[in-house]
Amino acid sequence: ILNVEQSPQSLHVQEGDSTNFTCSFPSSNFYALHWYRWETAKSPEALFVMTLNGDEKKKGRISATLNTKEGYSYLYIKGSQPEDSATYLCASPRGSTLGRLYFGRGTQLTVWP
Amino acid sequence: SAVISQKPSRDICQRGTSLTIQCQVDSQVTMMFWYRQQPGQSLTLIATANQGSEATYESGFVIDKFPISRPNLTFSTLTVSNMSPEDSSIYLCSVVSGGAYEQYFGPGTRLTVT
Repeated sequence: ILNVEQSPQSLHVQEGDSTNFTCSFPSSNFYALHWYRWETAKSPEALFVMTLNGDEKKKGRISATLNTKEGYSYLYIKGSQPEDSATYLCASPRGSTLGRLYFGRGTQLTVWP
Repeated sequence: SAVISQKPSRDICQRGTSLTIQCQVDSQVTMMFWYRQQPGQSLTLIATANQGSEATYESGFVIDKFPISRPNLTFSTLTVSNMSPEDSSIYLCSVVSGGAYEQYFGPGTRLTVT
């Protein structure tokens, strides 16, 4: 079993605040790290797939970093908006087989107007 | 990319009955994956469904409880058999499509067992 841990479990911020979450994973036999955004009653939306140590990716106001040597990734949201409210999931593959992912429990973000 | 639809979107079922969940993808894919999320828990992989062969189940999941069909490259079903309240979960199907590591999910089936 591959333990993927996320913190915090939930987060409440005001509109305009910047925030960040943490995902930790075993650093041995690393293949990739996925970030998803999941709104209720919708499909989880892929945000980033990160594979290289030191990788930094950005999509609009959302960015992510990866440290495979110490086994963590950070997701940052700059200037949070109410529409950013969702559960953010990270996941790492179970070995080299595509599609078989271990997920963390997620960080539930609520942005208040 | 891939667009995935699932039926039903939600259901309330009685203990001891079975429910079949359908997953349709808008493109042909080799492997389809079934996940579930029990309340307060992480998304957990149930099984991998390949067309033309038996599904491969993860530890803790068995074919008698979660039979899977994969009749073609765009469709799969997952049956939750002899349900108990512990089966109350969101069930999602997923595919890998496009570039390596590009993985997509359906909107889920929200199952409540009473």
